[in-house]
Amino acid sequence: ETGVTQSPTHLIKTRGQQVTLRCSSQSGHNTVSWYQQALGQGPQFIFQYYREEENGRGNFPPRFSGLQFPNYSSELNVNALELDDSALYLCASSSPAGGVNNEQFFGPGTRLTVL
Amino acid sequence: DAKTTQPNSMESNEEEPVHLPCNHSTISGTDYIHWYRQLPSQGPEYVIHGLTSNVNNRMASLAIAEDRKSSTLILHRATLRDAAVYYCIMKVSSNTGKLIFGQGTTLQVKP
Repeated sequence: ETGVTQSPTHLIKTRGQQVTLRCSSQSGHNTVSWYQQALGQGPQFIFQYYREEENGRGNFPPRFSGLQFPNYSSELNVNALELDDSALYLCASSSPAGGVNNEQFFGPGTRLTVL
Repeated sequence: DAKTTQPNSMESNEEEPVHLPCNHSTISGTDYIHWYRQLPSQGPEYVIHGLTSNVNNRMASLAIAEDRKSSTLILHRATLRDAAVYYCIMKVSSNTGKLIFGQGTTLQVKP
């Protein structure tokens, strides 16, 4: 059973550019959540995808968008990058979507640096 | 969402027990108490969770106060590999299951 994987590991972009981050969920998991973790802070919930539909969103602007594919893998897209978008982006998978008893399995993250 | 309060940092000696406290005075009756930890350069990992009763698993124990306004994560014998940031999280019974992370407690384990 493979765990959650994310790509790329590191990424450097300049302000105004667009970026796509990818996540493969753990086998058997149909729900993917994305979090942003600024340096020295706890992760902040961006949004969650369940069966290819957005299923909850945190306090992030529309330039943060996502997709989930039929195999439950997911992408996070960020348009018009700002310096404050520099952070570790974490993907977590779980099944099913909202169970309070369900643990989430996190990937190692993608470190995004915006110059 | 219910707010949690944890000490910023704690220290422990190797092979001694560690008690990590968390206050969650605004918890509602259906909120679960989850603990995650984040080792350096890794994503968070699940540790334990509970609702009302104390819970034990291979990693730790969770002691929940009778009024549920506080809880304590107990590592029975700290090892150097337990050095991490520990997050206490209230998980609401919504349809997203999102995790609301606070600042967490940075645990240092001394040999």
